[in-house]
Amino acid sequence: DQQVKQNSPSLSVQEGRISILNCDYTNSMFDYFLWYKKYPAEGPTFLISISSIKDKNEDGRFTVFLNKSAKHLSLHIVPSQPGDSAVYFCAASSFVQGAQKLVFGQGTRLTINP
Amino acid sequence: ETGVTQSPTHLIKTRGQQVTLRCSSQSGHNTVSWYQQALGQGPQFIFQYYREEENGRGNFPPRFSGLQFPNYSSELNVNALELDDSALYLCASGGADTGELFFGEGSRLTVL
Repeated sequence: DQQVKQNSPSLSVQEGRISILNCDYTNSMFDYFLWYKKYPAEGPTFLISISSIKDKNEDGRFTVFLNKSAKHLSLHIVPSQPGDSAVYFCAASSFVQGAQKLVFGQGTRLTINP
Repeated sequence: ETGVTQSPTHLIKTRGQQVTLRCSSQSGHNTVSWYQQALGQGPQFIFQYYREEENGRGNFPPRFSGLQFPNYSSELNVNALELDDSALYLCASGGADTGELFFGEGSRLTVL
């Protein structure tokens, strides 16, 4: 039962253009969402997050949008840079027995072409 | 640089053996979580420790166990290793009142 889905395994974008990564979830109890970036041989690096009481959060070139009615979130990167090439994971936060648990999507590999 | 360090970075074990993975989390973070990431998948929650007690577990059998120590270090132990246990094991720490988790670089376990 995949509660968090990233339906695009890969995405290729021209440098300077906008990258849009999408994520869908099924559990309406999720109240906090995060995006992580992962390079090979490294652990995931936290990028940006959004609470379910908001519909947008911006941090520099990164903006996350949340559409609760559609159970959909997206990460926009503009302008895209070659260093943004990595695997991006969305994650939804829930609590199990008092512990915070992140449920991750399968990841989208973003390639920025010069 | 997340302040979370893991060891060893790589190791190879054979089926049936036991393994201990170690994590040193960020000072001031009182929760530590362990995740398993299989190839081509997102990380999956194993369990979380808060104040040295396990306070939440994902869908992993009891042969996955852990410890958290007062000095912000922790261990993941896996007994009776199976081939499917081959994965990247990630440790993450965070404050109890924040949503973000900060991950280490992981320990890649190969079971032959």
